[in-house]
Amino acid sequence: KQEVTQIPAALSVPEGENLVLNCSFTDSAIYNLQWFRQDPGKGLTSLLLIQSSQREQTSGRLNASLDKSSGRSTLYIAASQPGDSATYLCAVRGNFNKFYFGSGTKLNVKP
Amino acid sequence: DAGVTQSPTHLIKTRGQQVTLRCSPKSGHDTVSWYQQALGQGPQFIFQYYEEEERQRGNFPDRFSGHQFPNYSSELNVNALLLGDSALYLCASRAGADTQYFGPGTRLTVL
Repeated sequence: KQEVTQIPAALSVPEGENLVLNCSFTDSAIYNLQWFRQDPGKGLTSLLLIQSSQREQTSGRLNASLDKSSGRSTLYIAASQPGDSATYLCAVRGNFNKFYFGSGTKLNVKP
Repeated sequence: DAGVTQSPTHLIKTRGQQVTLRCSPKSGHDTVSWYQQALGQGPQFIFQYYEEEERQRGNFPDRFSGHQFPNYSSELNVNALLLGDSALYLCASRAGADTQYFGPGTRLTVL
């Protein structure tokens, strides 16, 4: 059974710092990996989708990498801002179109 | 494009009751998935519908059932509600291997 782990569970940084969020998964047989942002009590907003054949994706200040063989992905956020404060979730799409989420990293960016 | 919509926004039920949650997918999407997200946890995959059939199912009891209509909208039904069913229920839609788009969720409270 696929297990997705996110480290750290929570992170507090001053505004302007560059930061890295980590996601690991136990079964490397995935179709894609997706990073989401979730604001308190709200739904999920897709940030980046990386297909299994890709190594990274970039969108603005966000960069996500994927190392399928080692079961790892990182989300890099450059020049963090208070508006980036949210919970960040990674999800993998595995066999039979099942999706598995990590528990998330709760990010607080202090002004 | 309205994106993924869910109704109702909030719902309060008592133990033993039954509940129906509704989801309308993003325009052009034919696959709908349902997730349960307990407080402080990542979403857990309940099941997925495509062409009006349940295609994949997560580790949830038969009390959880669903339906997909010809217009691709979907319902999630939960019978014999338990306190532990209290959660945010998220619906996601996609087309093929593309990104999943999530709705804002329905907050279910079981008393």
